[in-house]
Amino acid sequence: DSGVTQTPKHLITATGQRVTLRCSPRSGDLSVYWYQQSLDQGLQFLIQYYNGEERAKGNILERFSAQQFPDLHSELNLSSLELGDSALYFCASSAGTSIEQYFGPGTRLTVT
Amino acid sequence: GESVGLHLPTLSVQEGDNSIINCAYSNSASDYFIWYKQESGKGPQFIIDIRSNMDKRQGQRVTVLLNKTVKHLSLQIAATQPGDSAVYFCAGCSRYSSASKIIFGSGTRLSIRP
Repeated sequence: DSGVTQTPKHLITATGQRVTLRCSPRSGDLSVYWYQQSLDQGLQFLIQYYNGEERAKGNILERFSAQQFPDLHSELNLSSLELGDSALYFCASSAGTSIEQYFGPGTRLTVT
Repeated sequence: GESVGLHLPTLSVQEGDNSIINCAYSNSASDYFIWYKQESGKGPQFIIDIRSNMDKRQGQRVTVLLNKTVKHLSLQIAATQPGDSAVYFCAGCSRYSSASKIIFGSGTRLSIRP
């Protein structure tokens, strides 16, 4: 158990809809990262937050947004969903800017 | 931009033998290179990292080698055990201020023969 929790575990929704994925980092970790894992694209970095502020951006679509709250939990919002957004979404956390990131169990999103 | 990739999508090793998983990267922007292990149904798990100015780093039963000349790194697992069955990812990490960006390779699935 990494100490990172993600909810929900599974999510099935229709095209055009909007969903919110939630992540609670390990106790004390200030950095939260979001990743998308799909069969054709592999594991892709989306975005990083550090102590409530956006710090780094990867291949995150404009339809996706994230935020980190004062209690350090984070949410990833996915809107106008398309079939191609079906994937595993992982959250990870690290202590400050440590290289070692701890990954949560993931949320499996299926868009039908 | 930076990219990392693994040489083989699958690797089968006899239990007890050493495993070597290879990875190549395209440019030298990464400050660190990292190996992750992902077991079925779980999130990736950090194994070991190596700073870009180092050649070798050892952990518990694992060794990472970095060859900057040919832009190649490898993960060696000694005395491979059934619990080592997983997909292994190499990744390059660029850090600046409090930001950290990781580029993952495509992964090698390691299976262990009894």
